Amino acid sequence: DAMVIQNPRYQVTQFGKPVTLSCSQTLNHNVMYWYQQKSSQAPKLLFHYYDKDFNNEADTPDNFQSRRPNTSFCFLDIRSPGLGDAAMYLCATSRQPGQFNNQPQHFGDGTRLSIL
Amino acid sequence: AQTVTQSQPEMSVQEAETVTLSCTYDTSESDYYLFWYKQPPSRQMILVIRQEAYKQQNATENRFSVNFQKAAKSFSLKISDSQLGDAAMYFCAYNAPSGGSNYKLTFGKGTLLTVNP
Repeated sequence: DAMVIQNPRYQVTQFGKPVTLSCSQTLNHNVMYWYQQKSSQAPKLLFHYYDKDFNNEADTPDNFQSRRPNTSFCFLDIRSPGLGDAAMYLCATSRQPGQFNNQPQHFGDGTRLSIL
Repeated sequence: AQTVTQSQPEMSVQEAETVTLSCTYDTSESDYYLFWYKQPPSRQMILVIRQEAYKQQNATENRFSVNFQKAAKSFSLKISDSQLGDAAMYFCAYNAPSGGSNYKLTFGKGTLLTVNP
């Protein structure tokens, strides 16, 4: 089945040690998103790619970066994780939404990141 | 800025009964979309139902239906004949396709639904 796959499901890293989370998709969608979801909170959009065009949310910390080497893959890099970055990170994809139409987002299972 | 409010952190329902989850939102846009997403314990977020603001008719998907009140900015989800598999966190979400933010979903804080056998 076509889907959004996130690896790993659980990731543990040390305070300040860079970590990379990965997302792949078989849906051939041209938009990919990264959300941060802290415990008992709503998912919060960090950034998205429209094809190779990177779009950062205004309140996303500089500590968070992303790469999209091709249509299928997108990575979330956290350069120096702090304790406050412990969260579930959700990847999602969609087709290009138009000005007057919406395309639903398809989510992966998420990666739960713990910081020691 | 758009906001989405879910006033019920937790709800419970008996199996086979009906439950309604509440959602209100604030926006100055006239054209937008509203969604209910389900996030089961396995954590994959799944789209349950969506509503286009320009449509007066309430969306329905099998046992799931919405009560969309545009003037009141209210968007509730009704689950009929509740099943054990409906137990999950439910998020209400908003998207406006105009104004350069057409990619962004704004989520409420969620309602945790428990289904009792």
